[in-house]
Amino acid sequence: ILNVEQSPQSLHVQEGDSTNFTCSFPSSNFYALHWYRWETAKSPEALFVMTLNGDEKKKGRISATLNTKEGYSYLYIKGSQPEDSATYLCAFIMDAGGTSYGKLTFGQGTILTVHP
Amino acid sequence: DGGITQSPKYLFRKEGQNVTLSCEQNLNHDAMYWYRQDPGQGLRLIYYSQIVNDFQKGDIAEGYSVSREKKESFPLTVTSAQKNPTAFYLCASTLDGGGMNTEAFFGQGTRLTVV
Repeated sequence: ILNVEQSPQSLHVQEGDSTNFTCSFPSSNFYALHWYRWETAKSPEALFVMTLNGDEKKKGRISATLNTKEGYSYLYIKGSQPEDSATYLCAFIMDAGGTSYGKLTFGQGTILTVHP
Repeated sequence: DGGITQSPKYLFRKEGQNVTLSCEQNLNHDAMYWYRQDPGQGLRLIYYSQIVNDFQKGDIAEGYSVSREKKESFPLTVTSAQKNPTAFYLCASTLDGGGMNTEAFFGQGTRLTVV
């Protein structure tokens, strides 16, 4: 079983705070790393698909970085708003050299609550 | 509108009965996935299929079975051998099996309760 870890498990911040989460994954046989946002009563929605070491992606106030050599990705939210409250998931995909090619393996998620 | 449809949203079954959860997509995606979520836990992979007529076991396949006879359909059967079937089940698809350049799309999920 691939080990994909996210930290922290949950986070409470005040509106306007900036915050970040971590996703750790195996550093060998890397293929892609996805970030998703999962709001209550909705389906998860993709934030970023990251494939290259050193990738930095941004969507509005949310950005992500990727370090495939050391096996981690950071997700940053600048100036958190109550509507950012959700579970943030990362998913790791292994390349064809690994036995788990094609598996989309998720971390357990970080639950973010932004208080007004 | 393209998307993934899971049905039903809520499902109740008696212990010992097999039950089949439906997942249909009209996105023309090659790969499809079934996940299970339990309270306080993340998404755990049950089965996945990268192409029609082929599928692989995920991390918690025991007590489940799948088929992939059509590109758009990937039904999951929860058998009586599954010791703790009550959970939230989520279906997903990606354009290709690698997931390198395209993200996963998800259904709305089925909450199965076995009594």
